[in-house]
Amino acid sequence: DTAVSQTPKYLVTQMGNDKSIKCEQNLGHDTMYWYKQDSKKFLKIMFSYNNKELIINETVPNRFSPKSPDKAHLNLHINSLELGDSAVYFCASSQLGAGWNGDYGYTFGSGTRLTVV
Amino acid sequence: RKEVEQDPGPFNVPEGATVAFNCTYSNSASQSFFWYRQDCRKEPKLLMSVYSSGNEDGRFTAQLNRASQYISLLIRDSKLSDSATYLCVPYSGNTPLVFGKGTRLSVIA
Repeated sequence: DTAVSQTPKYLVTQMGNDKSIKCEQNLGHDTMYWYKQDSKKFLKIMFSYNNKELIINETVPNRFSPKSPDKAHLNLHINSLELGDSAVYFCASSQLGAGWNGDYGYTFGSGTRLTVV
Repeated sequence: RKEVEQDPGPFNVPEGATVAFNCTYSNSASQSFFWYRQDCRKEPKLLMSVYSSGNEDGRFTAQLNRASQYISLLIRDSKLSDSATYLCVPYSGNTPLVFGKGTRLSVIA
């Protein structure tokens, strides 16, 4: 029973296409995130949603648009894909914040490996 | 100054060895810390949370020194399966976790 699931696992597409990545969590967490890990291996925060509301939007091109239909889902739509978008995209969820008792971090999905050709 | 600094390694150690990773952090308001491990081409997985002076879980011990803004991870009796990248991640309230590149460990038979 996967806690954070992402689809698809692999995505190969041509420049200029539009694609979506889906993420769902069954942990009852309030907050979900999208991270990007490029070839240099840094995990960089892209977006953060809390109870369906966008709370963090780092410096990300507006070709990237997150959508959260409910607090268990956070999808990422990418328009006009570019070669530099090739990376692994990780979805994560957490219950950090007020009342956190120190035991929990983020739970990550298994990642979507996007290759733009 | 970077939020987190870790020796990127790689640390190449024989099975059974004890190895320690160090991590310094810049934000003195960091309330607690996580150690994550990330296997090649996989997602980061939580190894340990640290919010007092330290934590111990089996072969893994984390120690926190707030005065020096320093946290360490000690792995005893290294196994081949411990080979991974280890990420030190401070937590400062409601901001998203910031991950560095981590330290790469290779345990050799």
